[in-house]
Amino acid sequence: EVQLVESGGGLAQPGGSLRLSCAASGFTFSGHWMHWVRQPPGKGLVWVSQINSDGSSITYADSVKGRFTISRDNAKNTVYLQMNSLRAEDTAVYYCSRGIGSGWFDPWGQGTLVTVSS
Amino acid sequence: DIVMTQSPDSLAVSLGERAAINCKSSQSILHGSINKNYLAWYQQKAGQPPKLLIYWSSTRESGVPDRFSGSGSGTDFTLTISSLQAEDVAVYYCQQYYTTPETFGQGTKVEIK
Repeated sequence: EVQLVESGGGLAQPGGSLRLSCAASGFTFSGHWMHWVRQPPGKGLVWVSQINSDGSSITYADSVKGRFTISRDNAKNTVYLQMNSLRAEDTAVYYCSRGIGSGWFDPWGQGTLVTVSS
Repeated sequence: DIVMTQSPDSLAVSLGERAAINCKSSQSILHGSINKNYLAWYQQKAGQPPKLLIYWSSTRESGVPDRFSGSGSGTDFTLTISSLQAEDVAVYYCQQYYTTPETFGQGTKVEIK
């Protein structure tokens, strides 16, 4: 069974940091792009970042560029999102997802909640 | 960035009736050389992550009931639920994957009338 499990969310102060992890199983992790998508409470889906299969191509949304860093460890079947200089507007459920074909996302993890508040 | 706009924001449909959700992109997401539209539809039930329903604008994901169908091309797309079931209550999102950032519509909430 293809599965993605996020962890690392929690409460952070403005200006603080968190590191999210997404552990993958049930598929050849090293063969897929991976994505982070976030969903602020009660709102819609917003793409955050993507990384290609070997980590050589990385892209960020403008809203997180310079503050967030995506990375992956293919030996551990895990993708990470290092979030620094956190702001209140970063509060959201963060999902990781596998990129399929030319770019749709399937499946999605269950999400991890990040709350930025003093 | 390509802006995806869904309509309506919400709709209430009687059980067994048809529901249609529209999605408009700010530029064409049709790849002419392969004649495919770079559009996906997702379903998100309360408290759950999104689930892929349709990709290439009209290809149903394995296991998705055939009451769900996608249509459209270029900039205008529609997700149709031919006969609404209670388990279809959810928020539905369209997404373009023609360019990065892969942008989503704002979502359409489907409820039972």
